[in-house]
Amino acid sequence: NAGVTQTPKFRILKIGQSMTLQCTQDMNHNYMYWYRQDPGMGLKLIYYSVGAGITDKGEVPNGYNVSRSTTEDFPLRLELAAPSQTSVYFCASIAGREMNTEAFFGQGTRLTVV
Amino acid sequence: DAKTTQPNSMESNEEEPVHLPCNHSTISGTDYIHWYRQLPSQGPEYVIHGLTSNVNNRMASLAIAEDRKSSTLILHRATLRDAAVYYCILRDVWGQGAQKLVFGQGTRLTINP
Repeated sequence: NAGVTQTPKFRILKIGQSMTLQCTQDMNHNYMYWYRQDPGMGLKLIYYSVGAGITDKGEVPNGYNVSRSTTEDFPLRLELAAPSQTSVYFCASIAGREMNTEAFFGQGTRLTVV
Repeated sequence: DAKTTQPNSMESNEEEPVHLPCNHSTISGTDYIHWYRQLPSQGPEYVIHGLTSNVNNRMASLAIAEDRKSSTLILHRATLRDAAVYYCILRDVWGQGAQKLVFGQGTRLTINP
């Protein structure tokens, strides 16, 4: 199994541009998450999804949008990139509701907005 | 929200045991204690979890206080590859039943050769 795969690994955007960060998992997990991590800080939750067609906001959703049309994919959309969105973005997945299962994380997308 | 408190940084020597503490005084009876670590330039990876009893796996041991208000992650013989940021997390339920993984600052562990 590949686990959680994120693309691209690196990207430089100009202010005002848009892009989609891709996340896919091959473990048939219901729950998927997007986090951002600023330098020297912990991870902050942007959006999450409990299944196809169901998404909800996390702690820092402003400036982002998500969709979940399939179990496998959970893309994150930046519509109007701003310097404050310079960060490393991580996608994660968990199998289900049970509290004793582990979360799997992708390798991250390092985004710079200039 | 249940929260955890960890020291910002710790240092140890290679091949010595490391004890990483975590305080979670507001833990509820159903919260699982999870530990993740983040190696440089990588995503977090699962280390271990527990509810009430001490737990062991191939990576580490987790010692949970009897009142569950604190726990300690134990690396029995640290190697240079164990240098990472270690996060202690309480698993909770959010809206729509989704599990909440809230990350604090974590403990940055440095291993000296």
